[in-house]
Amino acid sequence: DIQMTQSPSSLSASVGDRVTISCRASQGIGNYLAWFQQKPGKAPRLLIYGASTLQSGVPSKFSGSGSGTDFTLTISSLQSEDFGTYYCQHYDSYPLTFGGGTKVEIK
Amino acid sequence: EVQLLESGGGLVQPGGSLRLSCAASGFSFSGYAMTWVRQAPGKGLNWVSSISTSGGTTYYADSVKGRFTISRDNPRNTVYLQMNNLRDEDTAIYYCAKAYGGSGGFFRLIDYWGQGTLVTVSS
Repeated sequence: DIQMTQSPSSLSASVGDRVTISCRASQGIGNYLAWFQQKPGKAPRLLIYGASTLQSGVPSKFSGSGSGTDFTLTISSLQSEDFGTYYCQHYDSYPLTFGGGTKVEIK
Repeated sequence: EVQLLESGGGLVQPGGSLRLSCAASGFSFSGYAMTWVRQAPGKGLNWVSSISTSGGTTYYADSVKGRFTISRDNPRNTVYLQMNNLRDEDTAIYYCAKAYGGSGGFFRLIDYWGQGTLVTVSS
C-alpha cells in the first residue's frame, strides 16, 4: 500500500501569511494527488486534483505543485476562513490512502 | 447541485450489522463510480470501499474485506454499504462520496462528499 506522509501536523499562522503544507508518497504516484479541506463538523471539500489543478469554485489563493513522491499545497495569503484540517490523498491505485492531516489555525 | 444524503447509521453491538444508504441527486448517478470513506472520532480519513458505475467491480480496504459489501441501485440513484460482524474499531462517521468520473484515474478521484452518518459500535 502507498503511505502518505504530511507535514507539519499542525501550524498556526497570521492572516496574510503564506502557508505551505507538504505531502510525501511512499512510492511514485505521478500526479494522482488530491488536496482536501475539512472544517470541524463538516465533510471534506476538494481543493486540488492532478497535483496542481484547481477544482471549480476554489479560490486561486490555493495552489498545488509536485509530482512523483513530493507534493506541496500553498495558501498564498491566509484568511480567517482558511482554518481547518487539510488532507492529501493519492488516487493512483487501490487502496486509496490519505495523509494524516495538517491542522491550520489562525493566530 | 450534487447532493449525497447518507442514512442508516446508529448504535450497534459488536458482532452486529447495519446497512448504510446514500441517496444521490443532482448528477447522472449511473455514470459515476461511488465511494465510502470513514473517519473515527477525532481522527483522519480512511477509504473503505468503491464501486464501479455498473456495480460489477468493487474494491475494499483490507480492514473491512469479507465483512462489508458495497452495492448500488442505479434506477434508485442509491449506493449501499452492508456492514456485518461490526467491531469497536468500525466506530466512525461514514461518508458517501462521488467520483469525479467513471473511468481511469477519475474513477478513483473523489469530488463531492455527503455530510456523513455516525456508526457507533459498542456494548
